[in-house]
Amino acid sequence: DIQMTQSPSSLSASVGDRVTITCRASQSISSYLNWYQQKPGKAPKLLIYAASSLQSGVPSRFSGSGSGTDFTLTISSLQPEDFATYYCQQSYSTPCSFGQGTKLEIK
Amino acid sequence: QVQLVQSGAEVKKPGASVKVSCKASGYTFTSYGISWVRQAPGQGLEWMGWISAYNGNTNYAQKLQGRVTMTTDTSTSTAYMELRSLRSDDTAVYYCAREGAVQGSPFDYWGQGTLVTVSS
Repeated sequence: DIQMTQSPSSLSASVGDRVTITCRASQSISSYLNWYQQKPGKAPKLLIYAASSLQSGVPSRFSGSGSGTDFTLTISSLQPEDFATYYCQQSYSTPCSFGQGTKLEIK
Repeated sequence: QVQLVQSGAEVKKPGASVKVSCKASGYTFTSYGISWVRQAPGQGLEWMGWISAYNGNTNYAQKLQGRVTMTTDTSTSTAYMELRSLRSDDTAVYYCAREGAVQGSPFDYWGQGTLVTVSS
């Protein structure tokens, strides 16, 4: 099974900051990497699919990059509604697997 | 608009079974798959398995093999997940999520979640 490791596990930042979250796969997953945002008590929401494609309706301040084993999610200018937990997920092989999550908190 | 609406919260005793439903609307049900993902309190996301709404093919997480069954009813566009021999560590929010027919598709729509509490 493929293991996904996110870093950092938590992050404090301010409104307007540029933030980067990284995700590493235990083996190459090509570009089969997706990013989700989850707010407390809510279902996850798809932000980025296929490593760098922005899901419809997601603000353009979110972007993704990477291929192979190393990936990043970048938020160019944090907004108050962006404080949440972010998960990466590989959909390259079954079983799919998620990173452990990165909790983004207000500084 | 695409919606996945799940059944309500459940409280079960250890050893019992639970069956959670996920009613889809706003798209052609049989053109997609449904995955089930659970989240224990304060924990991350765990994939449980997948079912094709087209032909009923399934793929389950190894750790749940023998305890989980996923089915669909195409006449009502509803997916079901049954988990048997419940244990306290099965306490979690259970989500259904739509998955595209193409291999490697993401989970683009999610249900609202169903809290299953296992307690004596």
